[in-house]
Amino acid sequence: DAGVIQSPRHEVTEMGQEVTLRCKPISGHDYLFWYRQTMMRGLELLIYFNNNVPIDDSGMPEDRFSAKMPNASFSTLKIQPSEPRDSAVYFCASSLLAGGPYFGPGTRLTVT
Amino acid sequence: GDSVTQMEGPVTLSEEAFLTINCTYTATGYPSLFWYVQYPGEGLQLLLKATKADDKGSNKGFEATYRKETTSFHLEKGSVQVSDSAVYFCALSDRNAGNMLTFGGGTRLMVKP
Repeated sequence: DAGVIQSPRHEVTEMGQEVTLRCKPISGHDYLFWYRQTMMRGLELLIYFNNNVPIDDSGMPEDRFSAKMPNASFSTLKIQPSEPRDSAVYFCASSLLAGGPYFGPGTRLTVT
Repeated sequence: GDSVTQMEGPVTLSEEAFLTINCTYTATGYPSLFWYVQYPGEGLQLLLKATKADDKGSNKGFEATYRKETTSFHLEKGSVQVSDSAVYFCALSDRNAGNMLTFGGGTRLMVKP
């Protein structure tokens, strides 16, 4: 298995632009998580899905952030409009109920 | 709510030294416990896990024992290598909260030759 796939690996954008991060989970996994990592706040859970349904989005910072999972093999995290404080590494992870999540390589987002 | 506390780093050791990274947790249910490792510029990799009290997780010479009485899951390795230099994260997963992970703050390990 290729593991969790994320794209792009790096994204540089200007403030106010829309940013879309993409994730392909491991086949057969029924949980999908979006995390954000910064030096100041460490790892923060933004949202997670079970069987494509959003279960807990309490970690989403504000309405500028949205996430979708249209099918079992694809999820997006969108930021519109982006701000410099959104700069971080965004990780997608997937798992089965009984196991620990497996993380993708991350997308490093820089908003100037 | 659930929480994980790790010893603050950085931890600096010489090659072949013994490693302990402390981790304690607070949880209302019966969590599973994990250690993840993050090498520079990479994502988190699952290092080991334990799903119930007294279980010992082990991988690549690292091990950790789920201690319910002390609510701890300390990471140990008998002889570290330079290649073990990374950030180590302790985490718990509470089935009462789906399968989401609560992470500790991470501990940076630096191993010098």
